[in-house]
Amino acid sequence: QSVLTQPPSASGTPGQRVTISCSGSSSNIGSNYVYWYQQLPGTAPKLLIYRNNQRPSGVPDRFSGSKSGTSASLAISGLRSEDEADYYCAAWDDSLSGREVFGGGTKLTVL
Amino acid sequence: QVQLQESGPGLVKPSETLSLTCTVSGGSISSYYWSWIRQPAGKGLEWIGRIYTSGSTNYNPSLKSRVTMSVDTSKNQFSLKLSSVTAADTAVYYCARDQGAAAGAGFDYWGQGTLVTVSS
Repeated sequence: QSVLTQPPSASGTPGQRVTISCSGSSSNIGSNYVYWYQQLPGTAPKLLIYRNNQRPSGVPDRFSGSKSGTSASLAISGLRSEDEADYYCAAWDDSLSGREVFGGGTKLTVL
Repeated sequence: QVQLQESGPGLVKPSETLSLTCTVSGGSISSYYWSWIRQPAGKGLEWIGRIYTSGSTNYNPSLKSRVTMSVDTSKNQFSLKLSSVTAADTAVYYCARDQGAAAGAGFDYWGQGTLVTVSS
C-alpha cells in the first residue's frame, strides 16, 4: 500500500487533456514539494515536474503540475501517443524520521 | 552531463547480502544526496534510502534494519548493502541524485537500473 494515492489507470485520445491525481497527508504533500516522474516502458523514471509545478528544461509545456493542500495533480494537454507511460508522484514525508514516498503509479493509455 | 551507472551481481542467494555500487560520471559526487530506489517487476517505485557526501544517511523505516549505504568520494561512487535478502527483494535497483527536500529539485538524474534476482 503506497503512502501517496494515485488512480491505477487513466486514458485519453490524442489531443485531449488528461489529469492524474495524487492524494497524501499533512506530513508529505501538505508540507513538502511534490514531484512527478514519467516512466516509459523498459526505461528508468524521468523527472517531469519538480517543486509542485516546475518543469526541467526539455520537458514540454504540455505537462503541468499543481498542488492544493494535501493533494496534487499532473495535467497533460494535447495528448500524444508518446505520452503513454507510467506516471508517479512523490514527496518527502516528515514522519518516521523522514523518508521519500511515492504514489503507486498511474498507467496512462493513449487510445 | 551527469551519468549514473549501477553495478553488482544480478543473482543473490536467499539470506545473503545484496551489494550494489553506483558510479557517477560527468560531475562531482560532492554536495548532493544519493539515493537507491527499487522497483519489483510490474510494481511501483520504493525508496530504499539516501546518503549525503558527508556520510549521513536516511533509510526507509521498512528496510532500515537491513540497509547500509556508504560513499567513496575519491572514486565518485556510492554503495548499497541489503542483508538477509528474500525473494521479495527481487527488483530493478536504481541509483539517483537528489539535492534534498529543501532544494526541491527531485531525483534529477537516474541510473539505467540493474535487475537483482534473489534465488538459490
